[in-house]
Formats: sequence, structure tokens, C-alpha cells
Amino acid sequence: QVQLVQSGAEVKKPGASVKVSCKASGYTFTSYYMHWVRQAPGQGLEWMGIINPSGGSTSYAQKFQGRVTMTRDTSTSTVYMELSSLRSEDTAVYYCARAGQLLSPLGDWGQGTLVTVSS
Amino acid sequence: QSALTQPPSASGSPGQSVTISCTGTSSDVGGYNYVSWYQQHPGKAPKLMIYEVSKRPSGVPDRFSGSKSGNTASLTVSGLQAEDEADYYCSSYAGSNNLNVFGTGTKVTVL
Repeated sequence: QVQLVQSGAEVKKPGASVKVSCKASGYTFTSYYMHWVRQAPGQGLEWMGIINPSGGSTSYAQKFQGRVTMTRDTSTSTVYMELSSLRSEDTAVYYCARAGQLLSPLGDWGQGTLVTVSS
Repeated sequence: QSALTQPPSASGSPGQSVTISCTGTSSDVGGYNYVSWYQQHPGKAPKLMIYEVSKRPSGVPDRFSGSKSGNTASLTVSGLQAEDEADYYCSSYAGSNNLNVFGTGTKVTVL
């Protein structure tokens, strides 16, 4: 069965960077796109960007351009999301989510990773 | 890209129906048939309920249905059950520069 297992919770100071991983299993890693979505405490979902694990191409939401980097490691079937210049407003649960095609819905989700930004 | 607009809350008694709206613009909801709906229970990851406006993934009860008119999409939950109490989010393709935009979310309460 499809599994997306994310790395554990992180606590970071303002100005630092965080790198969250999402290890995929149960399907052909390079055949599905991966999105990253975040949710601040008590708030709604916010789309951050997408990576094509096949070639590594990415597309980021304008809000995160210049601050987010999504990468993948095909040898371990893992995608990564790195967010830099962290501020308190980046405190959120970060999710990875799989999609079949570029415009496909997000059909499978990771369990989420809480990132807390605090001095 | 602004979030799509949803009512903050909706409610209904068991067995009744509830409809949630999702209003965007001609650049997102109105321009494409790539509207999805997600259900999220507290502390859990979202779950896909509807995609491409009105299609249901395997395993989703047919009590859940979707539609669209102009710049507004809608999710209807018929025959409300206690387990339908959750937050619901719409999302839409919004063009090549912003592939995906979510709605503000609606909390559905089963009275």
C-alpha cells in the first residue's frame, strides 16, 4: 500500500532553515508528483509547491519563491522540502501529498511534520 | 493568489443534507474543471473526497457529491452522519504560476 512517511517534529529559531523529508513506498516513486502543503495552528491549508520526482523539476507558490527548495533522492524514494529564513509565522504542520499527474488531485498524504519557530 | 472563499461553518442534523460553497474567480474555479474537495478530521491529514468537480475516488460514499456553476463550486453531503463532522476544504487549479489554491475551509457540524 502507498505510504508517505515524514520526518519528525522540529524546533527552529527565527532566521534558521528547516528541511523536512517524505519517504515514499508502495509505488513507483518517479511516476507520481509530490506536493507540499502547510497548515498553521487553527488555520487552513496552504499550497507551497510541487516537485516531479522523475526529473526533479519544481514549481513553487509565489509566496514562497526564493525561500523554499524542493528536492528528491530517487535512490531512497524520498522528497525534501527546505524552508529558509524562518519566522514565527512559519510555525505549521507541513504535509507532503502525492498526485498522479500535474493537475491531479492530492490523493495520498503524509502524516504531517510540525515545525515550530520560536526564539 | 488569494484563497478561495468558503463559509466558516455549516451544520445539519443526522440524515439531512448540507451544501458548502467555494467561490473563486475566472482565473481558478471558473476557468477550469480541476476543483477538488478534502475532508480533514482534527489532528489528521486531509482526505480527498471529490476531484475534477464531481468525481468520487474509490471508497468515498456516494453521499458526497460536487458541482460547479460559474466561479462557484459546491460540495453536498447528503444523509449526514456523525462521522461527516469535520473541516472541508476546496481547492482549484489556478494557472501555471500557481498550480493549486485552497479554500478558507468550512467546519461542518452534525447537530
